[in-house]
Amino acid sequence: QKEVEQNSGPLSVPEGAIASLNCTYSDRGSQSFFWYRQYSGKSPELIMSIYSNGDKEDGRFTAQLNKASQYVSLLIRDSQPSDSATYLCAVGMNTGNQFYFGTGTSLTVIP
Amino acid sequence: ETGVTQTPRHLVMGMTNKKSLKCEQHLGHNAMYWYKQSAKKPLELMFVYSLEERVENNSVPSRFSPECPNSSHLFLHLHTLQPEDSALYLCASSPVMGVSTGELFFGEGSRLTVL
Repeated sequence: QKEVEQNSGPLSVPEGAIASLNCTYSDRGSQSFFWYRQYSGKSPELIMSIYSNGDKEDGRFTAQLNKASQYVSLLIRDSQPSDSATYLCAVGMNTGNQFYFGTGTSLTVIP
Repeated sequence: ETGVTQTPRHLVMGMTNKKSLKCEQHLGHNAMYWYKQSAKKPLELMFVYSLEERVENNSVPSRFSPECPNSSHLFLHLHTLQPEDSALYLCASSPVMGVSTGELFFGEGSRLTVL
């Protein structure tokens, strides 16, 4: 079983729409959850972190965490072409005290 | 210089060569990491150093040899690599080691091609 699973996509949405990215994880005791954005040929950069159940909003981005169901999601409202990138879900797991990453979801926002 | 910088950004080497990747962080962090990123695979943690001491070695082949001379610098020495080692190698740092520290700060990566 993979520690962190994401739909690889590609996910395509029209400009202005809501993009929804999902992630599930295996370690029920995980405490920290992150979404990184990685443009082609670039390094991952953090866009959201979440530690408690519920929603966390930052501008056009909303992270949602449900520990009971072991999933975390990222919503991007009013999607822009500049949001086209691969989005990596990362989970800080007590197992090994390290971060586990998903394979990433490729998002394309169509003008 | 700010953040995490990696050199070289691109490297092509033969299977018998010896080369090194360099990482430098200017954030005052105490933990540094090497990750391997291959197509359609999750980032793989290779090594973790905390306060210059290696604390994690995830079953990485001995043809990869890390070195951390101080808390700001991290090297990955490469020798007799295989074509399947071709990947993007990412260096990262965090204030301290462990998942309670929050985010990882990544460098731009070194794209390695082994012929």
